[in-house]
Order: sequence, then C-alpha cells, then structure tokens
Amino acid sequence: DQQVKQNSPSLSVQEGRISILNCDYTNSMFDYFLWYKKYPAEGPTFLISISSIKDKNEDGRFTVFLNKSAKHLSLHIVPSQPGDSAVYFCAASGKRGGTSYGKLTFGQGTILTVHP
Amino acid sequence: ETGVTQSPTHLIKTRGQQVTLRCSSQSGHNTVSWYQQALGQGPQFIFQYYREEENGRGNFPPRFSGLQFPNYSSELNVNALELDDSALYLCASSPRSGTGVRAFFGQGTRLTVV
Repeated sequence: DQQVKQNSPSLSVQEGRISILNCDYTNSMFDYFLWYKKYPAEGPTFLISISSIKDKNEDGRFTVFLNKSAKHLSLHIVPSQPGDSAVYFCAASGKRGGTSYGKLTFGQGTILTVHP
Repeated sequence: ETGVTQSPTHLIKTRGQQVTLRCSSQSGHNTVSWYQQALGQGPQFIFQYYREEENGRGNFPPRFSGLQFPNYSSELNVNALELDDSALYLCASSPRSGTGVRAFFGQGTRLTVV
C-alpha cells in the first residue's frame, strides 16, 4: 500500500528550462509535505516543505504546489542547473500533535538529469 | 554545528548474524528516526526515539530494535539478519518543537547481508 507515489522514475531536462516533479498521495491525514534531494553516497537533503493550509511555497529557484482536492503536489525548479541532477523524494507527515507527526512516508523517488 | 553522523558507512554481514548501527544526532536535536532504503525505493520509516523512548514504529518486525542515549545519540540493532535486510539505513534527527517535521539525515550505513 503505497501512500505516497512518484509515478515518474526519471526526468531529463535541458539546463535553464523548468523541471517539474510530481507526487501523489492517498492518505488524507497527511498534513505536511516535504521534498528532499539525494546525491549518491549522501543522505537526503531537505529542499522545501509545505503545510496543508497553503497551496504554494517558494524558496529561490524551488516552488512547491499543493492541490489538496487532487491529493497531488509538484516541485518546480526554475531555472534547472546541472548541479540539480539527483534523486528527488517527496515525503509526507501527519498533523502536529498526532501520532504520525514527524514520521515521514516517502515516495519511490524521481531521478532528475539536467543536461548542459 | 555538527550534522548527523552515522557509523559505520559500509558493513557486510552473514545471514543469521546480528548488527548494530550507530547515529549521532545534530546538536540540539532530541528526536531520532531510522529509515531503511532498499535499492530503487524511497526510505521506509522503521521507528523513532524521543527522550530515550520509542515514539512510533513502522511496519518492521521486532528483530529490529533501537536505543536512544541521554546525549540523544541512537543505535539500531537488527537480529537474525536476512538477505532482504540488505539496504541503506538512514538516521535522521529533528528538534521536537519548532520545525519538528523537517528531518536532517546522515549519510547512511550501507548494509549487505550475504
């Protein structure tokens, strides 16, 4: 039972263009969503998060959009750079104060390759 | 500020053996979580420790156990190793309050069971 799904195993983008990574979830109790980036031989690094009370959060080149009715979120990277090439994971957490708060459920990941 | 550190980085064990993995949490973080990442998959939550007590567990059998120490460092123990336990084991720490949902990960321990 995969509660968080990233249906695209890989994405290839030209440098300077937009990268859009997608994530779907099934559990309506999820309240926080995060994106992590992972390089080989390193642990995941936090990129950006969004609370379910918002539909958009921006941080520099990274923007996360949340569509609660569709149970869908996306990460936009603009402009994409070769250094962005990595595996991107979408993750979800339950409500603050609840038993699943801070215990992350991850998607399978999407390999992003940005070509110079 | 010291980040999350894990030891060892790589380990090879034989089926049926026991293994202990170690994690030092980031300074100021009192919550530690462990995740298993199989090849080609996302990390899966094993359990979390807060103030030296288990604070939630994922869908893993009891042969996966843990400890948290007064300095908030943690251990993951796996008994009776199986071939399917081969994976990257990730430790993550977070502060209990404030930005608690954001977890900071170590570089992982790659466990191979033969």
